[in-house]
Amino acid sequence: GAVVSQHPSRVICKSGTSVKIECRSLDFQATTMFWYRQFPKQSLMLMATSNEGSKATYEQGVEKDKFLINHASLTLSTLTVTSAHPEDSSFYICSARGTGGSFQETQYFGPGTRLLVL
Amino acid sequence: GEDVEQSLFLSVREGDSSVINCTYTDSSSTYLYWYKQEPGAGLQLLTYIFSNMDMKQDQRLTVLLNKKDKHLSLRIADTQTGDSAIYFCAESTSGTYKYIFGTGTRLKVLA
Repeated sequence: GAVVSQHPSRVICKSGTSVKIECRSLDFQATTMFWYRQFPKQSLMLMATSNEGSKATYEQGVEKDKFLINHASLTLSTLTVTSAHPEDSSFYICSARGTGGSFQETQYFGPGTRLLVL
Repeated sequence: GEDVEQSLFLSVREGDSSVINCTYTDSSSTYLYWYKQEPGAGLQLLTYIFSNMDMKQDQRLTVLLNKKDKHLSLRIADTQTGDSAIYFCAESTSGTYKYIFGTGTRLKVLA
């Protein structure tokens, strides 16, 4: 149980284009999803918290117009990197928190999406 | 603000025990977690412990929590080459659901 998928696993795009990353909870309903960014050999940096049916809460320093988050259902959240630039190249990881029991407090992570902007 | 610290590297021989340490500053931490990250992959939940517990054992994994010193450790018995990865500790406070991650410890297991 508690499987989270991400799609795509790897994407290469040209500078100026937009890229959408999907995060799905496969066997549980995710009340909250989180989006992280991880630089090489570093820890995870929380970008935003996404609650189903409401606007995402962004961490300080994260541009909400640059990183659009949509959490339209209890199993799907999307992160769109708009007008991507080379400095947006990174490893993006989502996680999901369910409801009830151990699901409520624990985050389950997706496999990550590696974005390379040329 | 809250801070979670880990040593960066640990190297052990196959078959030995590994002990990865973590210290945190938030005294209101309710849950503490250990995650494993293999190269190019997401984070795999290994185990977690509630702050009112001192120890939790799960097969080869033993978690010790010293709440007074705000110190958490993960012991891996009979370490195997497949255990080579980065290990992150994380803490959260009930109701916030946000994690504070440690810096990660890179474990290298020598054959």
